[in-house]
Amino acid sequence: TQLLEQSPQFLSIQEGENLTVYCNSSSVFSSLQWYRQEPGEGPVLLVTVVTGGEVKKLKRLTFQFGDARKDSSLHITAAQPGDTGLYLCAGVANKLIFGTGTRLQVFP
Amino acid sequence: NAGVTQTPKFRVLKTGQSMTLLCAQDMNHEYMYWYRQDPGMGLRLIHYSVGEGTTAKGEVPDGYNVSRLKKQNFLLGLESAAPSQTSVYFCASSYVSSRTRETQYFGPGTRLLVL
Repeated sequence: TQLLEQSPQFLSIQEGENLTVYCNSSSVFSSLQWYRQEPGEGPVLLVTVVTGGEVKKLKRLTFQFGDARKDSSLHITAAQPGDTGLYLCAGVANKLIFGTGTRLQVFP
Repeated sequence: NAGVTQTPKFRVLKTGQSMTLLCAQDMNHEYMYWYRQDPGMGLRLIHYSVGEGTTAKGEVPDGYNVSRLKKQNFLLGLESAAPSQTSVYFCASSYVSSRTRETQYFGPGTRLLVL
């Protein structure tokens, strides 16, 4: 069974702080996706990283795919209350394998 | 476009009762999925379909059945609900031009409580 572990599980920070969320696996994936899920809604795709070592930026969010395509990180610069939500990584094999999730709360 | 819709939004069942969750998508997607989401476990795939009339088992299929009689609809059935099936259920659909870059579009979820 392929597993994706995310850390930390919970993160509570003040507006303006930086943070990093990690997504780790012992399995190799063809690509890796990050989703954000807000309360009462389904996950929404933020980004797909495909190449080992790839870095993608989405405004204040920076996503990196590990060189061996087994892990990924999400870094948020100057977090805002609007960043609050559940962040899920998902490894792409023949199906999506979702991580355990990181719940982020950003206080004004 | 409504995207992916799910009905009902919330349901309470007693142990042993049956119900059907309906998922509908208006994006003409071939692939559809049912997931369950439980605290600390992310999303787990229950069943999926790669086209009208086809279904396949996912990671946690026991206790559930599905049907895809029409391309736009994917039904999830619980024949005899158990408390362990208390969860939030999400439907998703996708158009797969490349497995590597597949984008799944999720519905808003159905909260199910089994007493």
